Amino acid sequence: AQSVTQLGSHVSVSEGALVLLRCNYSSSVPPYLFWYVQYPNQGLQLLLKYTSAATLVKGINGFEAEFKKSETSFHLTKPSAHMSDAAEYFCAVSEGGGNKLTFGTGTQLKVEL
Amino acid sequence: SAVISQKPSRDICQRGTSLTIQCQVDSQVTMMFWYRQQPGQSLTLIATANQGSEATYESGFVIDKFPISRPNLTFSTLTVSNMSPEDSSIYLCSAHDQSVRGSYNEQFFGPGTRLTVL
Repeated sequence: AQSVTQLGSHVSVSEGALVLLRCNYSSSVPPYLFWYVQYPNQGLQLLLKYTSAATLVKGINGFEAEFKKSETSFHLTKPSAHMSDAAEYFCAVSEGGGNKLTFGTGTQLKVEL
Repeated sequence: SAVISQKPSRDICQRGTSLTIQCQVDSQVTMMFWYRQQPGQSLTLIATANQGSEATYESGFVIDKFPISRPNLTFSTLTVSNMSPEDSSIYLCSAHDQSVRGSYNEQFFGPGTRLTVL
């Protein structure tokens, strides 16, 4: 069965600082991995996805994530945080043809001046 | 990418009543999903809705409580029946099109329906 663990339910960074949001997964087959962002009172927007091509995946808004099989991780990073990045971020895993997504518990990112 | 709309965007309902939530996709998609997001929590899949077949429910969710329709490839409804305050939540629909090459199980989400049950 697939599962996702997001360490840190709340992360606070200063504007301009590095953003690092952690995600570890468990999957019995090579997974597809996703990061979604949810702004207040909105639905989820796809940031990026890993589909077994390049292990370093670039997404929208300057975010990127690196797939590390040995660590079963897919951490999300952004070199320089912006106030507009404040939102909730969800990591999700899907196994091959199963189509279903399993979401982590989410990380609330706060960006301070 | 698909654009998804939901109606209503929010509602306040009385205990014991039912609410039907509509989900409209701007293109034909093979699979639609319904999720519940309780306050401050992650998303939990309620069911998968494929056109022309019965919805497939996840453990803990039953058709009598959450009947789902999928009459065509662009539309689905979720009904929350005999509501109680515990049903207060955000309900989100999403869509995935298996026919799109390179879609890799990617899902596009609607804006959600915020339900409060008194």
